[in-house]
Amino acid sequence: GAVVSQHPSRVICKSGTSVKIECRSLDFQATTMFWYRQFPKQSLMLMATSNEGSKATYEQGVEKDKFLINHASLTLSTLTVTSAHPEDSSFYICSARERGDQETQYFGPGTRLLVL
Amino acid sequence: AQSVTQLDSQVPVFEEAPVELRCNYSSSVSVYLFWYVQYPNQGLQLLLKYLSGSTLVKGINGFEAEFNKSQTSFHLRKPSVHISDTAEYFCAVTTNRDDKIIFGKGTRLHILP
Repeated sequence: GAVVSQHPSRVICKSGTSVKIECRSLDFQATTMFWYRQFPKQSLMLMATSNEGSKATYEQGVEKDKFLINHASLTLSTLTVTSAHPEDSSFYICSARERGDQETQYFGPGTRLLVL
Repeated sequence: AQSVTQLDSQVPVFEEAPVELRCNYSSSVSVYLFWYVQYPNQGLQLLLKYLSGSTLVKGINGFEAEFNKSQTSFHLRKPSVHISDTAEYFCAVTTNRDDKIIFGKGTRLHILP
């Protein structure tokens, strides 16, 4: 149980294009989803917290117009990197918290974004 | 605010030897503690968690951790490691008042043949 998927697992795009990453909870309802960014050999950096049906809460220093987050249903959240640039290249990981379990986050497998 | 310290960035261990990965936390309120494992190019997998109750927590893959409130520690242990345990291990903390999980910087476990 508590499986989270991400799609795509890897994406290469040209500078200036937008990229959408999907995060799905496969076998549970996720009232809250989180988006993280991880640089090589570093820990996870929380970008934003999204609650189903409401606007995402962004961490300080994260541009909300750059990283658009939508949490339209209890099983799906999307992160859109708009007008991507090479410095946006990174490993993006989502996590989800199951309804009724306020402590544990279950993580997706990650999406590696490379912007050329 | 909570914080997590993983003092060892890398731990080399011979195969079949025991290992301990250290984690210390700071918090002014009661905490929930987690250990996650990350294999190369993958997301994080929950190894074990401490929410309340018994301070010795057993997780998957033969790992266990002990919550020590007086020493504010939550060290991860395994009596005999396998080559497949090579990965990055993250300790994390949260509270019942906070949405966020705070991660340590991670410890790379390197298994030597």
